Amino acid sequence: QKEVEQDPGPLSVPEGAIVSLNCTYSNSAFQYFMWYRQYSRKGPELLMYTYSSGNKEDGRFTAQVDKSSKYISLFIRDSQPSDSATYLCAMSATGNQFYFGTGTSLTVIP
Amino acid sequence: GAVVSQHPSRVICKSGTSVKIECRSLDFQATTMFWYRQFPKQSLMLMATSNEGSKATYEQGVEKDKFLINHASLTLSTLTVTSAHPEDSSFYICSARDPADSGNTIYFGEGSWLTVV
Repeated sequence: QKEVEQDPGPLSVPEGAIVSLNCTYSNSAFQYFMWYRQYSRKGPELLMYTYSSGNKEDGRFTAQVDKSSKYISLFIRDSQPSDSATYLCAMSATGNQFYFGTGTSLTVIP
Repeated sequence: GAVVSQHPSRVICKSGTSVKIECRSLDFQATTMFWYRQFPKQSLMLMATSNEGSKATYEQGVEKDKFLINHASLTLSTLTVTSAHPEDSSFYICSARDPADSGNTIYFGEGSWLTVV
């Protein structure tokens, strides 16, 4: 079983839709959770960071962590064509090793 | 957030030659840097963990003599692909952890496209 599972998509939504991206994991020791956005042919860009359980909101983006279910989510409200990218979840137990999902490809159609 | 710079962004080299990619942390001192390889439409594959002043730790299956990693200072790590072959053509990305960042997260460079002809 992989440490982190992420549906690769592709996911296609109309502009303005709410997007939900998810990852599940198996290691209960993970406590640092990140979402990265990667545009084609570019390095990943940190979008959201969450420590332990709970929600974090930043503009149109909300990250949720449910440690009891070993499940994390990223919600994008009022999605824009510029949100079209691959979204990677990442997590770590100690901050020394990081585990990544395979990435979900998102296309927002104008 | 912290800034990590990678250079060159694109490089083309002839088969059999070596090419060096640099990864710099611009506004923090990175005791640990990570090197990844990414194939089209695939996720990041960790190649090695680079610790300042010591030998890199390579992941299983990664040839340490082919992918030489040097982390001589707290702001610079280099990846040298030696005797490059066309199958080494890929997108190489570095990342670094800011130890002063209580968030325990990592920041990525812009990536380097290597094409071996």
